[in-house]
Amino acid sequence: DQQVKQNSPSLSVQEGRISILNCDYTNSMFDYFLWYKKYPAEGPTFLISISSIKDKNEDGRFTVFLNKSAKHLSLHIVPSQPGDSAVYFCAASALTSGTYKYIFGTGTRLKVLA
Amino acid sequence: NAGVTQTPKFRILKIGQSMTLQCTQDMNHNYMYWYRQDPGMGLKLIYYSVGAGITDKGEVPNGYNVSRSTTEDFPLRLELAAPSQTSVYFCASSLRERVHGYTFGSGTRLTVV
Repeated sequence: DQQVKQNSPSLSVQEGRISILNCDYTNSMFDYFLWYKKYPAEGPTFLISISSIKDKNEDGRFTVFLNKSAKHLSLHIVPSQPGDSAVYFCAASALTSGTYKYIFGTGTRLKVLA
Repeated sequence: NAGVTQTPKFRILKIGQSMTLQCTQDMNHNYMYWYRQDPGMGLKLIYYSVGAGITDKGEVPNGYNVSRSTTEDFPLRLELAAPSQTSVYFCASSLRERVHGYTFGSGTRLTVV
């Protein structure tokens, strides 16, 4: 049972345009969400987070939107740059057995075309 | 500042062999985690630790063991390696339980033949 889903395995975007990466979740107890970026042969790196008490969080070119009623979050990258080409994972957490654990989506491979 | 260091980067094991994947962090983080990533899949939590001397199982702990004798080190032990354990293994640490993102190591690619 995949509680965190990234239904688009890949996405191609022209440099300078907006990239929108989507993530859906099924567990209404999730209340904190993260996005990670991963380059080949490297570990994931933390990008941006959002708490369920917010519906938007911005950090430079990256904005995460949360729609709790739809159990959906999205990552917007504006403008997209070739260096943004990577695999993006969303992750969600809830209190489970006394601790918070993150459930990761399967990732979306973003390719930004120059 | 090294962050999270994992060794080895690559390893080929024969079925039934054992090995230890090493993980060290120099950020004085209390929380440490082991994840595995199979092709086309998200990261699955194997074990985690909330501090020295305290460990607990994640989603997929079978076939693995961990220890946390110091804040810095969190080794993952594979006993009796099986082909199903072929995967990329990531160690991560965090300062607080979830508010801060995790810092990941660069991974260990393990193949069991």
